[in-house]
Amino acid sequence: AQRVTQPEKLLSVFKGAPVELKCNYSYSGSPELFWYVQYSRQRLQLLLRHISRESIKGFTADLNKGETSFHLKKPFAQEEDSAMYYCALSGYSGAGSYQLTFGKGTKLSVIP
Amino acid sequence: NAGVTQTPKFQVLKTGQSMTLQCAQDMNHNSMYWYRQDPGMGLRLIYYSASEGTTDKGEVPNGYNVSRLNKREFSLRLESAAPSQTSVYFCASSAEGQSYNEQFFGPGTRLTVL
Repeated sequence: AQRVTQPEKLLSVFKGAPVELKCNYSYSGSPELFWYVQYSRQRLQLLLRHISRESIKGFTADLNKGETSFHLKKPFAQEEDSAMYYCALSGYSGAGSYQLTFGKGTKLSVIP
Repeated sequence: NAGVTQTPKFQVLKTGQSMTLQCAQDMNHNSMYWYRQDPGMGLRLIYYSASEGTTDKGEVPNGYNVSRLNKREFSLRLESAAPSQTSVYFCASSAEGQSYNEQFFGPGTRLTVL
């Protein structure tokens, strides 16, 4: 069974401080991992996925298979980063379809 | 392109009432999903449909039914609503075939069951 753990429900940082949102996973195969973000009263949207190896809005995430982690990082937090962040793991569910298993989410609050 | 649309945006039901949440996507995606979002629980998959004509249970299917009406539309029905079904419901869709495919989400339906 696949599982995603986000240990922090709430993370508060000051503007300009570094941010690290933690994500650990459990999966028997080769994992595909994502970070989704939900700004206040908006729909979930993809922030980044590990296969793309890209930086979006200054955020990066590195897959560490040894530690089974996919932590999200940003060197300098901005007020507009305040949102709910979900880590998600993709698993095959048959017939060409994949399911996402989400963590419980971390609410990031950036203090001005 | 509207992406993924959901109706209604808000709904209040009394215990025992029934309702159907509608979802449509215009991205020609094969796979569609229904999630519920509860505080402290994240998103949990209720049902999904890998393609037109197929549906499967997710993590929390009890109390719900779904219909994949055609490739575009995937509805979620509550036959006899209970207060435990008070939640925000999200529909999503994705292209098939790759584990790294993005899921696109609708704006959500906020349901309260009294």
